Amino acid sequence: EVQLVETGGGLVQPGRSLKLSCVASGFTFSSYWMYWIRQAPGKGLEWVSSINTDGGSTYYPDSVKGRFTISRDNAENTVYLQMNSLRSEDTATYYCAKDRGWYNSGYFDYWGQGVMVTVSS
Amino acid sequence: DIQMTQSPASLSASLGETVTIECLASEDIYSNLAWYQQKPGKSPQLLIYDASSLQDGVPSRFSGSESGTQYSLEINSLQSEDAATYFCQQHHDYMYTFGAGTKLELK
Repeated sequence: EVQLVETGGGLVQPGRSLKLSCVASGFTFSSYWMYWIRQAPGKGLEWVSSINTDGGSTYYPDSVKGRFTISRDNAENTVYLQMNSLRSEDTATYYCAKDRGWYNSGYFDYWGQGVMVTVSS
Repeated sequence: DIQMTQSPASLSASLGETVTIECLASEDIYSNLAWYQQKPGKSPQLLIYDASSLQDGVPSRFSGSESGTQYSLEINSLQSEDAATYFCQQHHDYMYTFGAGTKLELK
């Protein structure tokens, strides 16, 4: 059974940093692209970052580029999201998600339960 | 960036009815579109990918179609468990965007 478990969320002041982790199980982690997607309270979904299978390629939207960094440890079946210079607009539930295919299908077939990040003074 | 305009924002329907939700892409996305269902307090679930392919385990009353840059999700024979918010999502050139969502309420 595929499982994705996010940890690391919490309350953080504007301008500070936070690192999220997502531990995966139930599939060959090193063979799949992984993603972070967020959802502000009562709002829609926003893609935050992507990482390819060996971690050599990463992608971000302009809203987080230069502030967030995605990485992965295939030996530990874990994907990370380092978030720096946090802003109030980064307040959201952050989901870890797995790519549907053995390639970059661009679709997310399994999602974690989500972890809440609140940026406030 | 490619924008996805999703409509309607909300709709109300009765058990057994058929509903259609639409997403209009701001440019050609070559059928690179998915639909997700999200219930309150839960994570989204993939329903449809590649515009019309049904994800494993998803009931066949869900179907997807396309016409140019307009993409549609149809739900036939509505069941009580279909009450949820539905999102479309496109991917192009390693970028991903979602529609704003459609909240489906069952009467």
